[in-house]
Amino acid sequence: AQKITQTQPGMFVQEKEAVTLDCTYDTSDQSYGLFWYKQPSSGEMIFLIYQGSYDEQNATEGRYSLNFQKARKSANLVISASQLGDSAMYFCEPKGSYIPTFGRGTSLIVHP
Amino acid sequence: DTEVTQTPKHLVMGMTNKKSLKCEQHMGHRAMYWYKQKAKKPPELMFVYSYEKLSINESVPSRFSPECPNSSLLNLHLHALQPEDSALYLCASSQETSGPYNEQFFGPGTRLTVL
Repeated sequence: AQKITQTQPGMFVQEKEAVTLDCTYDTSDQSYGLFWYKQPSSGEMIFLIYQGSYDEQNATEGRYSLNFQKARKSANLVISASQLGDSAMYFCEPKGSYIPTFGRGTSLIVHP
Repeated sequence: DTEVTQTPKHLVMGMTNKKSLKCEQHMGHRAMYWYKQKAKKPPELMFVYSYEKLSINESVPSRFSPECPNSSLLNLHLHALQPEDSALYLCASSQETSGPYNEQFFGPGTRLTVL
């Protein structure tokens, strides 16, 4: 099984500021994808952003971007201009040949 | 339609009851998943169906019985559950299971309480 590490159990950020959520992983796959999901208190997991391991450019999707460092096996999520509605759990999922497995998650709280 | 629906939203059952959770998607996805999620933990994979066939069973106890009647529907039959089975049960779908490029679309989940 692959190992996924999200080192920040909880993060706090001021509204309108940027925040970075960390994710490192250990995979022997040459080709894999990195997914980030958001889970509000309602429970539904919401897909945010995807990065392919062979993509040369860091992925961006609106206020979300990925800081992908392949050699370090790191795929950090950057949320710019935080909003109150960003308060949620965030999970990363490196996906290759293994079964779907999520990191332990980071709880983000956005303060007004 | 990019939605995965799950019913019921909440379920309370006794240890001797039989109940079923239902999941539906109309995105033409060929892979469907059941996850169990305890509070403050990540979702844990239970079952994967690929092209209506069970492809992964993560050593789930037999009191959980999945069923995929057709490509759009996924059921989870529950029987003789234990209080520790109380959790959020999430259904998801994706275009395929293989390959690293398929994001999962999740339903809102069923919050199950076993008394």
